[in-house]
Amino acid sequence: DAGVIQSPRHEVTEMGQEVTLRCKPISGHDYLFWYRQTMMRGLELLIYFNNNVPIDDSGMPEDRFSAKMPNASFSTLKIQPSEPRDSAVYFCASSLEGNIQYFGAGTRLSVL
Amino acid sequence: AQKVTQAQTEISVVEKEDVTLDCVYETRDTTYYLFWYKQPPSGELVFLIRRNSFDEQNEISGRYSWNFQKSTSSFNFTITASQVVDSAVYFCALSEAQTGANNLFFGTGTRLTVIP
Repeated sequence: DAGVIQSPRHEVTEMGQEVTLRCKPISGHDYLFWYRQTMMRGLELLIYFNNNVPIDDSGMPEDRFSAKMPNASFSTLKIQPSEPRDSAVYFCASSLEGNIQYFGAGTRLSVL
Repeated sequence: AQKVTQAQTEISVVEKEDVTLDCVYETRDTTYYLFWYKQPPSGELVFLIRRNSFDEQNEISGRYSWNFQKSTSSFNFTITASQVVDSAVYFCALSEAQTGANNLFFGTGTRLTVIP
């Protein structure tokens, strides 16, 4: 079975540009999570969905960040406009009934 | 408030040595889960184990073993006969039933380097 699939693996953009990160969860999983990993703050939960509905977005840093899950097999995390301090590795994870979270390979974002 | 402490920032061992990675947690919840994840140089996060607060049995999986002790709020991870492929950053994490079992709080990680 395929694991959690994230794209792109690497993204380099200029400050002010819109960035969209994509995630395909494991088929059949009903929870989807977005995390950010930085040297300063470690791994932080940004938002999670249950059955495509956002449940907790308290970790989203500011209004420039938004996440959607239009269907059970796809989610996006959008940053508009991007800033250099958004540079980080963004992980998507999914789980079944809120149990073990399985992570994707991450997207390394660099905002110049 | 919940907290996960991995006091060892970096550890280096020579291949075939045993190594223990420490994890100490804080929680006021009586129902919680503890996890270990591995992040190899390629960057992905790989699930290793989950333990619930009611199960203090130690776990062994091949060269890996975990020691859960509620009395000391610790969930330590031992690799026996380490190999170069074990080189990675290892994260301990906690989730609590009260704050939502989906909310994983990660420690800062321990970078393990196994020298051939």
